Amino acid sequence: QKEVEQNSGPLSVPEGAIASLNCTYSDRGSQSFFWYRQYSGKSPELIMSIYSNGDKEDGRFTAQLNKASQYVSLLIRDSQPSDSATYLCAVTLGFQKLVFGTGTRLLVSP
Amino acid sequence: DGGITQSPKYLFRKEGQNVTLSCEQNLNHDAMYWYRQDPGQGLRLIYYSQIVNDFQKGDIAEGYSVSREKKESFPLTVTSAQKNPTAFYLCASTSGPRPNTGELFFGEGSRLTVL
Repeated sequence: QKEVEQNSGPLSVPEGAIASLNCTYSDRGSQSFFWYRQYSGKSPELIMSIYSNGDKEDGRFTAQLNKASQYVSLLIRDSQPSDSATYLCAVTLGFQKLVFGTGTRLLVSP
Repeated sequence: DGGITQSPKYLFRKEGQNVTLSCEQNLNHDAMYWYRQDPGQGLRLIYYSQIVNDFQKGDIAEGYSVSREKKESFPLTVTSAQKNPTAFYLCASTSGPRPNTGELFFGEGSRLTVL
């Protein structure tokens, strides 16, 4: 089992819909969780971080964490074509190791 | 504006050559990192440095070397010992001493191609 797993996609949604991106992780002791957005050919940028169970909202983005089930998700409401990118899930494993998933490619069609 | 500058953006190397990728930050961050990204794979940590004159190997350090003589600078050398160096290289920094505290700020990346 990979330490951090994401469906590679592409996930296709129409403009205005909700995009739901999922990530599972293997280490029950993980404490910190991050979502990065990466446009094609560009570097990643952090869009959300979450540390406790439940939901965290920031504008059109909502991160959801369920430690018992070992998954973290990212919801994007009112999806826009400019949201088309690869979304990387990153999880801390142990004290000092940050592990990235392979990313899910999101395509938002006008 | 504060940020991380990587150079060059594109680099071509012949087999057997060493190349050095530059990374400079003016964010006053203590910790700096080098990641490698290959198609279909997540970012993999090559080396990281938490303070000047100290650095640690990441998961895939073989064939790479780094130095941290100044807080602002963390250059990466890809040596001829690296068997498959063609990749997208990303430098990052964070204000926290560990990669799981605080966000990672990335440079624009350097794309290395071995001919």
